Amino acid sequence: AQRVTQPEKLLSVFKGAPVELKCNYSYSGSPELFWYVQYSRQRLQLLLRHISRESIKGFTADLNKGETSFHLKKPFAQEEDSAMYYCAPSAGGTSYGKLTFGQGTILTVHP
Amino acid sequence: GAGVSQSPRYKVAKRGQDVALRCDPISGHVSLFWYQQALGQGPEFLTYFQNEAQLDKSGLPSDRFFAERPEGSVSTLKIQRTQQEDSAVYLCASSAGRAYYGYTFGSGTRLTVV
Repeated sequence: AQRVTQPEKLLSVFKGAPVELKCNYSYSGSPELFWYVQYSRQRLQLLLRHISRESIKGFTADLNKGETSFHLKKPFAQEEDSAMYYCAPSAGGTSYGKLTFGQGTILTVHP
Repeated sequence: GAGVSQSPRYKVAKRGQDVALRCDPISGHVSLFWYQQALGQGPEFLTYFQNEAQLDKSGLPSDRFFAERPEGSVSTLKIQRTQQEDSAVYLCASSAGRAYYGYTFGSGTRLTVV
């Protein structure tokens, strides 16, 4: 069965500090991997996707197939990064891509 | 439209009442998903449509839940004889095509069953 684990429910850092949000997954096949973010009073939105190898708002995510992890990182956190973050693998290949969400990590960046 | 629109934003239903939740996806988006998000949890998959065809309804928790998308655009999620455990935020998302582009989510409908 597909499973996503975000071990930290809450994560607090100070502005300017590095931040890492952990995600481990158990998934059959080769999933495509995403991070979604929900800022206060806003809708859930795509932050970044592994397939694009992109960096959004200074965040990057490295896929480690051996450890089946897809941790989200940012070297210098900003107050506006405070939000709920969800790791979400989806079935890859020709599948339509049903997402399996983790329970989420609430990131708080203190001034 | 510019984004995925869901209505109503909030719905309070008495236990046993039937409810209908509406989703207006982005125009032209082929794929449409419904997710259920209980308090403190991540969203959980309910069902998927490709145009008007419901290709996966494996996440619907019981036969009280029914979804349709008759013309391949607007979708309705119907819950019959609501129970307290149905209280959650119901999210709709749409996508133009392949999964790796990601989805666009609506703001959700918060259903409270009293």
